[in-house]
Amino acid sequence: GAVVSQHPSRVICKSGTSVKIECRSLDFQATTMFWYRQFPKQSLMLMATSNEGSKATYEQGVEKDKFLINHASLTLSTLTVTSAHPEDSSFYICSARTQGVHGYTFGSGTRLTVV
Amino acid sequence: AQTVTQSQPEMSVQEAETVTLSCTYDTSESDYYLFWYKQPPSRQMILVIRQEAYKQQNATENRFSVNFQKAAKSFSLKISDSQLGDAAMYFCASSGSARQLTFGSGTQLTVLP
Repeated sequence: GAVVSQHPSRVICKSGTSVKIECRSLDFQATTMFWYRQFPKQSLMLMATSNEGSKATYEQGVEKDKFLINHASLTLSTLTVTSAHPEDSSFYICSARTQGVHGYTFGSGTRLTVV
Repeated sequence: AQTVTQSQPEMSVQEAETVTLSCTYDTSESDYYLFWYKQPPSRQMILVIRQEAYKQQNATENRFSVNFQKAAKSFSLKISDSQLGDAAMYFCASSGSARQLTFGSGTQLTVLP
C-alpha cells in the first residue's frame, strides 16, 4: 500500500533555530500534501495544503513566513519551522492524497520540542 | 465549508462488547466522503473505515461498521467484539471537493479487560 515516510520522528531544538521536517511518498506520486498540527489530546488542525510545483495554501491564522512549505517534487514535501519558539512545540503530521482512490496516507508524525 | 462534530470526548467498553461512537457533520456539497480514523498512543493515523456519500449501503470492515444516515447527517461507528487493541483516539472526518480532510474533536476509547 501507499506509504508516506516522515522524518524526523522527534526533534528538540533551541529557541530561535529552524527545523525542517520531511515527508516522502515512497511508492506513489503525491501531487497534494497536507500539513497538520496536533496539540495533546486535541484534533488535527490543518495548517496548509501544498501542491507540487506551486506555492502552498495556508489556513487562516497560520504564518506562512514562519512555517515554510516546499513541495518541489512529486515525492517530497518539507515543512520548515523558522525561528522556532517554545509555543511552536507540537506534533506535526503530513498527509498525502492517494491517487486513484479517494483516500489519504499519513506520515508517522514529528514531535517538535523547542527549548 | 464542512464541519464535523463528535459529542463524546471519552467512551469505555468492556472487552468483547459492542460500542458505538457518534459523529455528525454538516456540508453543503452533494459529493463527499466520510471517514473514521484511529490514532493509538503511537499517534500514527490509521484508516478504520470509509463511506462514499452517494452509496446508501453502510460500509463494513470486519468488526467495524457504520450507520450512515444521510438526511440526518449522522455517521456513527460501531465496534463489535471490542479488543484491547481497539483502545485509541477515534476521529471522524469528512472530505469534499476541496479534497482536504476536516476532523472532529475525537473520542478517546478505553477498552476494559
